[in-house]
Amino acid sequence: GENVEQHPSTLSVQEGDSAVIKCTYSDSASNYFPWYKQELGKGPQLIIDIRSNVGEKKDQRIAVTLNKTAKHFSLHITETQPEDSAVYFCAATGGGGADGLTFGKGTHLIIQP
Amino acid sequence: EAQVTQNPRYLITVTGKKLTVTCSQNMNHEYMSWYRQDPGLGLRQIYYSMNVEVTDKGDVPEGYKVSRKEKRNFPLILESPSPNQTSLYFCASSPSRGVLGDTQYFGPGTRLTVL
Repeated sequence: GENVEQHPSTLSVQEGDSAVIKCTYSDSASNYFPWYKQELGKGPQLIIDIRSNVGEKKDQRIAVTLNKTAKHFSLHITETQPEDSAVYFCAATGGGGADGLTFGKGTHLIIQP
Repeated sequence: EAQVTQNPRYLITVTGKKLTVTCSQNMNHEYMSWYRQDPGLGLRQIYYSMNVEVTDKGDVPEGYKVSRKEKRNFPLILESPSPNQTSLYFCASSPSRGVLGDTQYFGPGTRLTVL
C-alpha cells in the first residue's frame, strides 16, 4: 500500500517568514495530494490540493508543488501569520486500491511573534 | 450547514464496557471513514464505507466494528474496549472515495479514554 513520509515534525518560523513542509510518497499510481490544517481541538480541514496532472497550484499565501518523478510534494506558506500556527498533514491517494487517503504523520508549525 | 457530527465529544470508560461513537453527515456523501489520531503516528484509517451496507477494513481495524445501514450514519463500535484504544477519533465523509480526488470533510473528533 501507499506510504507517506512527512518532514519536519516540528517547524518554528518567525512571523512574516516562509514555511515549507515536505512529503514523499511510495505509490507511483497515486494521483491526488491534499493538505489539511488541524487547529487545536478541531478536526482537519482541507486547505489546498493538487492532482497529478499539475505541477504547482497557488491560493493566496499558500502553494503546493508536485514532482511526480521524484514522488514528492511540498506545501509553501509565505508571509506567515500567527493564525497559521497549527498541525499540517499531507496525504496521498492509495493508488489503485479501494481505500481512501494515506496521511503523513503531521507537522506542528509554530509562528513566533 | 454542511457538516459531519460526532457524539460524544469526550468519553471516559472502563476496559470491556461496550461503547458506540456515532457519526452523521448531512451532505449525502457516499464515502465515510473512521480514523484514529495518536501522537507521532498521524491519522490512521480504521474502517471505511463506500455506500450503504458496504464497509471494509482500513489500516488498523482490530478491536473495532462499524455499520452503514443508512447513508448519513456510520457508527463506530468498540465491543470490548482496551486501554490501547485510548485515542482521538475522527469521522470523515466525501462524495466518493479518495482515489477520485474528493475532499474529505472531518468531524470535530471524539476523545476516548479507556481505563
